[in-house]
Amino acid sequence: EVQLVQSGAEVKKPGESLKISCKGSGYSFSIYWIAWVRQVPGKGLEWMGIISLGDSETKYSPSFQGQVTISADKSIRTAYLQWSSLKASDSAIYYCARQMGGTFWFDPWGQGTLVTVSS
Amino acid sequence: SYVLAQPPSVSVAPGKTARITCGGDNIGSKSVHWYQQKPGQAPVLVIYYDSDRPSGIPERFSGSNSGNTATLTISRVEAGDEADYYCQVWESGSDHFVFGTGTKVTVL
Repeated sequence: EVQLVQSGAEVKKPGESLKISCKGSGYSFSIYWIAWVRQVPGKGLEWMGIISLGDSETKYSPSFQGQVTISADKSIRTAYLQWSSLKASDSAIYYCARQMGGTFWFDPWGQGTLVTVSS
Repeated sequence: SYVLAQPPSVSVAPGKTARITCGGDNIGSKSVHWYQQKPGQAPVLVIYYDSDRPSGIPERFSGSNSGNTATLTISRVEAGDEADYYCQVWESGSDHFVFGTGTKVTVL
């Protein structure tokens, strides 16, 4: 079964750093891309960026460029989303989702990671 | 940037047909994908390439795309179809992905 399993919920203070993860299983890791999608509770889906698991090429939405860093470690089949200095406005659910090169949809999705940033 | 507009809400009686629109400039020239998100759950792909269904998605779900509007149609609506639905495209000009604003489907 193809699965993306994300790391658990996080509670952080403004200014702290954070790295959340998304581990894939059940498929050939390298031919896919992993996207990160933000959802503020009660709001819609926002595409943040995407990373190729083959060569680590990365693309960012202009809204998130410079605000987050997307990376991956093929050896452990894991993609990451990280912040160097969190803000309260980063509080949201973050989903990872798989995209196969040459197709342009996301399937499956991880279960989501809730990030709460509060002083 | 490319904008996809969806109605905030659609209400439908059980057994009837729900139509959810996704409006965008010349969206008919793009491939549209649709996701269902139930409360507290991650999104699930229900339609890809405008009208194809992944395995496990009921035939009641169908899609179309032409001109400036793509449509997700849910036939013989059931209580379990109550969810938020999002359209999504890949914008080739910017090489970015875009989600629609989302539509909440309420089964009366």
